[in-house]
Amino acid sequence: DAGITQSPRHKVTETGTPVTLRCHQTENHRYMYWYRQDPGHGLRLIHYSYGVKDTDKGEVSDGYSVSRSKTEDFLLTLESATSSQTSVYFCAISSFGAGRGDTQYFGPGTRLTVL
Amino acid sequence: KNQVEQSPQSLIILEGKNCTLQCNYTVSPFSNLRWYKQDTGRGPVSLTIMTFSENTKSNGRYTATLDADTKQSSLHITASQLSDSASYICVVETGANNLFFGTGTRLTVIP
Repeated sequence: DAGITQSPRHKVTETGTPVTLRCHQTENHRYMYWYRQDPGHGLRLIHYSYGVKDTDKGEVSDGYSVSRSKTEDFLLTLESATSSQTSVYFCAISSFGAGRGDTQYFGPGTRLTVL
Repeated sequence: KNQVEQSPQSLIILEGKNCTLQCNYTVSPFSNLRWYKQDTGRGPVSLTIMTFSENTKSNGRYTATLDADTKQSSLHITASQLSDSASYICVVETGANNLFFGTGTRLTVIP
């Protein structure tokens, strides 16, 4: 998985609790992304980062926040988890930005269940 | 509305047979089209990428075609193997960090 790890790999939590997912890369890529994958939907972009402390919103950013204090780490936080945030979350990285021919490399995913 | 539609949703084929997966898109402007393979429980992995001017690209037993005029792409798998069992996702790229993902075709190869 191209030097990308995600933690935890599985998590079950209760509605209303905060949750933080971590993505760690060893490739020194500038861009990092968080996606969610749900049945019947394509991968949907939540947030992305184009450098340390530089982030931007994606298509489905409501209810999520991110932080990137180091090149190698990108955190996704659900401030107060809801059942609609039950999903599989993927982190991805790219060198000069997806969408312009650069390849995105995806992590193994985190399966989150909100009860 | 920018959309990427894939068909069929799922497909079962015998090992050794060929198959073709379809991708139709209404995304504009168009930059690149990419096919990903996603094994169960894993993240997607890029198979091929085609620019507007390319109409075919191969990667081993995988051959992707693109007709930019009709906004259609296909992924042809030759001599299928059990390890080809996966979801195949079509993605249209329109520019910086702007991608449209299809919902994928789930392929099952049986012995």
